Amino acid sequence: GAGVSQSPSNKVTEKGKDVELRCDPISGHTALYWYRQSLGQGLEFLIYFQGNSAPDKSGLPSDRFSAERTGGSVSTLTIQRTQQEDSAVYLCASSTSSPWANVLTFGAGSRLTVL
Amino acid sequence: AQSVTQLDSQVPVFEEAPVELRCNYSSSVSVYLFWYVQYPNQGLQLLLKYLSGSTLVKGINGFEAEFNKSQTSFHLRKPSVHISDTAEYFCAVSAPLNRDDKIIFGKGTRLHILP
Repeated sequence: GAGVSQSPSNKVTEKGKDVELRCDPISGHTALYWYRQSLGQGLEFLIYFQGNSAPDKSGLPSDRFSAERTGGSVSTLTIQRTQQEDSAVYLCASSTSSPWANVLTFGAGSRLTVL
Repeated sequence: AQSVTQLDSQVPVFEEAPVELRCNYSSSVSVYLFWYVQYPNQGLQLLLKYLSGSTLVKGINGFEAEFNKSQTSFHLRKPSVHISDTAEYFCAVSAPLNRDDKIIFGKGTRLHILP
């Protein structure tokens, strides 16, 4: 598609439930990022996929968080046993490799509210 | 690993006055530097980037930033702000030559334009 597509745009869930957030990057973009945006915390890096390399998971806050990217395209971020502190906007971004290296195109985000 | 510090969480400035938003980075190797902007209720978009070459980088909407290696800074400036510049501004860094090309963002600076 023309842009980065994320779904759902809004998700309200109860504490303890699992949620899945989906990201459909721009076709041909080899890099895909997940970030978490919450008030006062800026953009917190979660995970980074680049081509066929092993993902950089160094930003995942706990083992309740996981992500996968199938076929080098669509990615799913899964949060198990959600907690209230997981409430945030989850942003996906993708980019090509050089010469426009590392210039990210962001999706509109998935707003997660954990009650 | 690289990191970014945005020294001001909020900056109020009168319309038509100049503004500087501060950004300092930490990395032991050469870096790429970026400023992204998020207007109210909109997604993030690239404002400008420094990859190499001239240390003074010009971006969209009259913004510019200067890369200062000795001070490890990449401050964003505009000589005269407009009400439409009200937004949150994020500085970001990556270190591709360190095999760590993931993009890390700062916590953001909210620019408030006063009439």
